[in-house]
Amino acid sequence: GQNIDQPTEMTATEGAIVQINCTYQTSGFNGLFWYQQHAGEAPTFLSYNVLDGLEEKGRFSSFLSRSKGYSYLLLKELQMKDSASYLCAVYSGGYNKLIFGAGTRLAVHP
Amino acid sequence: DGGITQSPKYLFRKEGQNVTLSCEQNLNHDAMYWYRQDPGQGLRLIYYSQIVNDFQKGDIAEGYSVSREKKESFPLTVTSAQKNPTAFYLCASSTGTGAGGQPQHFGDGTRLSIL
Repeated sequence: GQNIDQPTEMTATEGAIVQINCTYQTSGFNGLFWYQQHAGEAPTFLSYNVLDGLEEKGRFSSFLSRSKGYSYLLLKELQMKDSASYLCAVYSGGYNKLIFGAGTRLAVHP
Repeated sequence: DGGITQSPKYLFRKEGQNVTLSCEQNLNHDAMYWYRQDPGQGLRLIYYSQIVNDFQKGDIAEGYSVSREKKESFPLTVTSAQKNPTAFYLCASSTGTGAGGQPQHFGDGTRLSIL
């Protein structure tokens, strides 16, 4: 089967660090994407991991462990504008498509 | 600027009516996708097309139809057979299928409601 799990909601304080976890089960794993989506807007691409390890891109980093079926998105120096939903998506070679999790809604407070 | 344009932003459908959602891209992408997003659920794939004049059903194709007559355009028709059409519809495109890490780029979406 195919399944992606993320926490539904998280809250954090401005200036802090937050880690959003994603676990997955799929056939023929071939890469994991993270997207940011503000309410009522289009998802925007944040990061892509296909090999184990950490990918850093400014304030955002993404980690992947293929053996554990696990990824996380790390957001540093949180800003109010980071309040959004964060979508984890896995490319399944077995199904030849991108499978999305339900998303994690992050609220950043002053 | 290159991008994906969806129209209209808001759409209302009457009972028994078919409605068509527009999606146009000028990114020169081969692949295009339609997703449906409901509250508390992930994006679900309706239809996708990897090349002009070809398209495949996704996970929830029943009650929907598409065409891909031009590379730039991938309209979605929500037919009267779709009994629960109220949702946020997102169109996306990419240079490939995603297997090589090509991200999908999304339009701003169309919110469809039933009158």
